[in-house]
Amino acid sequence: DIQMTQSPSSLSASVGDRVTITCRASQSINGHLNWYQQRPGKAPKLLIYAASSLQSGVPSRFSGSGSGTDFTLTITSLQPEDFATYSCQQTNSIPLTFGGGTKVEIK
Amino acid sequence: QVQLVESGGGVVQPGRSLRLSCAASGFTFSTYPMHWVRQAPGKGLEWVTLISFDGSNQYYADSVKGRFTISRDNSKNTLYLQMNSLRPEDTAVYHCARETTVTLKTSHHSHFDYWGQGTLVTVSS
Repeated sequence: DIQMTQSPSSLSASVGDRVTITCRASQSINGHLNWYQQRPGKAPKLLIYAASSLQSGVPSRFSGSGSGTDFTLTITSLQPEDFATYSCQQTNSIPLTFGGGTKVEIK
Repeated sequence: QVQLVESGGGVVQPGRSLRLSCAASGFTFSTYPMHWVRQAPGKGLEWVTLISFDGSNQYYADSVKGRFTISRDNSKNTLYLQMNSLRPEDTAVYHCARETTVTLKTSHHSHFDYWGQGTLVTVSS
């Protein structure tokens, strides 16, 4: 099984800050990496698919990059509605696996 | 608009069974693979199972293999999860999710573009 390791597990930031979250796969996943946002009590929302493609309707302050085993989600200017938990997911092989999540909190 | 609505959760004793449903609307259900994903309290997301668009193929996480069964009724636009021999560690919110695949530079990339709000399953005596 492919293990997905996210870091940090949590972070505190202020509105307007640039935030970077990292996801590392235990083996190459050929760019099959997605990012989701989840607010408390809500369903996960797709932000980025295929490592760097922005899902329709998602603000352009969100971006993804990476290849091989190392991937990054960047939020260029944090907005109040961005305080949530972010999770990466690999869809390269079954079983599909998620990272442990990164909780972005208000500083 | 696309909607996925789960139902069937509740409190159940260890060893008992429960069946979850996911009612789909707003898209051609019979053309999409579907998944169940769960989230234990305070934990991350865990993929549970996948069924192909026509129901001919199913895949499971090791943690539920042999106990859970995914199925679908395309005539009713409904996805199911039959959960048997439930354990306390199965306690979680269960989400259904639609899989979409896009082709980028000859490579096929899958992702979950729609999710339901989830239904809570609590396994406790």
